[in-house]
Amino acid sequence: DAGITQSPRHKVTETGTPVTLRCHQTENHRYMYWYRQDPGHGLRLIHYSYGVKDTDKGEVSDGYSVSRSKTEDFLLTLESATSSQTSVYFCAISESWTSSSTDTQYFGPGTRLTVL
Amino acid sequence: SQQGEEDPQALSIQEGENATMNCSYKTSINNLQWYRQNSGRGLVHLILIRSNEREKHSGRLRVTLDTSKKSSSLLITASRAADTASYFCATSARQGAQKLVFGQGTRLTINP
Repeated sequence: DAGITQSPRHKVTETGTPVTLRCHQTENHRYMYWYRQDPGHGLRLIHYSYGVKDTDKGEVSDGYSVSRSKTEDFLLTLESATSSQTSVYFCAISESWTSSSTDTQYFGPGTRLTVL
Repeated sequence: SQQGEEDPQALSIQEGENATMNCSYKTSINNLQWYRQNSGRGLVHLILIRSNEREKHSGRLRVTLDTSKKSSSLLITASRAADTASYFCATSARQGAQKLVFGQGTRLTINP
């Protein structure tokens, strides 16, 4: 999985508790992304980062926050988990676009989160 | 809102047959990419076609792009059981956008 790890891989938590998911890369890529995948919705972008301390919202950012204090780590936090946030979460990375590269993304193995 | 819509949602064929999946999108794009996802795994990039290209090949994969119809197709020839997976198209709106919008995917099952 292109030097991308996610932790934990599985988590069960209760409504109202905070949850942090971690994405770690060894590729030194500039861009990092958090998606959620739900049946019937494909992948939806939650937040992304274009550099250390530089982040922006995606399509479904409500209820989520992110932080990136180092190039290799991108954290996704659910401040107060709700049942609607039960999903599979994927991290992805991509290089900076250049005339000879593309915005191809490389994905981690995913984290299955269940909020009871 | 989703940019890509894939058709069919599910496809089941016999091993050795060809599989064709389609993707339609709504706005202009810089490139369109196809990804595969095996059950329980992350997505893997398969092939990218730029907006100024009409057809691209990679091994048993053939991708076409019709920008006038805002559609793309992915053809897998001589399918194998290992091709069983979900396939997603993803569009990039402009050069350097660094953001992709994914379709909902086609679930492909290859029967031995």
